[in-house]
Amino acid sequence: QQQVKQSPQSLIVQKGGISIINCAYENTAFDYFPWYQQFPGKGPALLIAIRPDVSEKKEGRFTISFNKSAKQFSLHIMDSQPGDSATYFCAARQTGANNLFFGTGTRLTVIP
Amino acid sequence: NAGVTQTPKFQVLKTGQSMTLQCAQDMNHEYMSWYRQDPGMGLRLIHYSVGAGITDQGEVPNGYNVSRSTTEDFPLRLLSAAPSQTSVYFCASKPGGSSNYGYTFGSGTRLTVV
Repeated sequence: QQQVKQSPQSLIVQKGGISIINCAYENTAFDYFPWYQQFPGKGPALLIAIRPDVSEKKEGRFTISFNKSAKQFSLHIMDSQPGDSATYFCAARQTGANNLFFGTGTRLTVIP
Repeated sequence: NAGVTQTPKFQVLKTGQSMTLQCAQDMNHEYMSWYRQDPGMGLRLIHYSVGAGITDQGEVPNGYNVSRSTTEDFPLRLLSAAPSQTSVYFCASKPGGSSNYGYTFGSGTRLTVV
């Protein structure tokens, strides 16, 4: 059973556009929500993360929006660039635990 | 700093063969883990360790064994490979304690079982 549900599976965006990837969870004990970026042939790398005590976190062109009541969080990539083309994973971790639970991934393609 | 090093990068096995995927980290991280990545499935946790001598099962442990004799190394063993174990395997580590969030991933081992 997938603990973190991610959509869409794939996304094609024009250069300069906004990319939006959504995730949802059920476990209210989750207290850490990171997003990972993965390029072909590489391991996932932390992109940005949020704790549930804030509703939004922004780092450069990347923003996480968090809705605690709906148990949803999303990644927004503003001014998307071809170099952003990668697979993105959302994840969640339970309070007091070490293990990450990942979404199924979104393959983003940014067209020049 | 090498970070997390996985070897080999690629491997082809025949059904029933055994092998060990190696993972080593030089950051003195207490926590280490193994994930497998399959299309449409994301990354799923196989086994993890919170310190030398301590291991535990993740979401999909069947068919895999691990041990943690040192802080640095966390090998993953396939005793009798099956085609269902064809996947990309990632090792990850982080400092100990649930308040530490900095997971570092290796670059992966692509395993094909024929």
